[in-house]
Amino acid sequence: DAGVTQSPTHLIKTRGQQVTLRCSPKSGHDTVSWYQQALGQGPQFIFQYYEEEERQRGNFPDRFSGHQFPNYSSELNVNALLLGDSALYLCASSKLAEGYNEQFFGPGTRLTVL
Amino acid sequence: AQRVTQPEKLLSVFKGAPVELKCNYSYSGSPELFWYVQYSRQRLQLLLRHISRESIKGFTADLNKGETSFHLKKPFAQEEDSAMYYCALSGIGANSKLTFGKGITLSVRP
Repeated sequence: DAGVTQSPTHLIKTRGQQVTLRCSPKSGHDTVSWYQQALGQGPQFIFQYYEEEERQRGNFPDRFSGHQFPNYSSELNVNALLLGDSALYLCASSKLAEGYNEQFFGPGTRLTVL
Repeated sequence: AQRVTQPEKLLSVFKGAPVELKCNYSYSGSPELFWYVQYSRQRLQLLLRHISRESIKGFTADLNKGETSFHLKKPFAQEEDSAMYYCALSGIGANSKLTFGKGITLSVRP
């Protein structure tokens, strides 16, 4: 098991563009959470998906949206990119039935907005 | 609102010295507390959680509800402990969102 995988590894976009980041959860996991990590900061929760629906959402604007597919993989979409969206985007997966909150993180996608 | 505070950005110690990484939290209720670690060029991974009460790689952390703290301790630091450490909390129950502190860099010198 490769664990949580994310693609692409790095991405460079310009202001106003749109971006899609992808995440495949660890085998057996059914829940995907997305975090944004700005330089020098801890990860900040964006939202979480379970059964193809958004369960929780952090303090991020509607420009940030997501999707979960029947195979539990997930996408994070960001519209109208701003310079401040430059960050490392982390995906984490977990299993709801486990009854406790251990999230496994992917390596992240480094997004640079010019 | 839930908040995690790690007051220091960097801790540098010599090998064999004791280590204490501080973490304070704010949460209305009973949270789950975690320490995550990120070694150089590796992904973020769970080090320990307060519920399990385990000692991982010689590290321990005790939840002090009175002081709302969850400090990470190790009596004798090793060079391989050099990494970025993040304290995090979540609500009780499966898959609640994690709130992270800003992290602290631990540097263990030979």
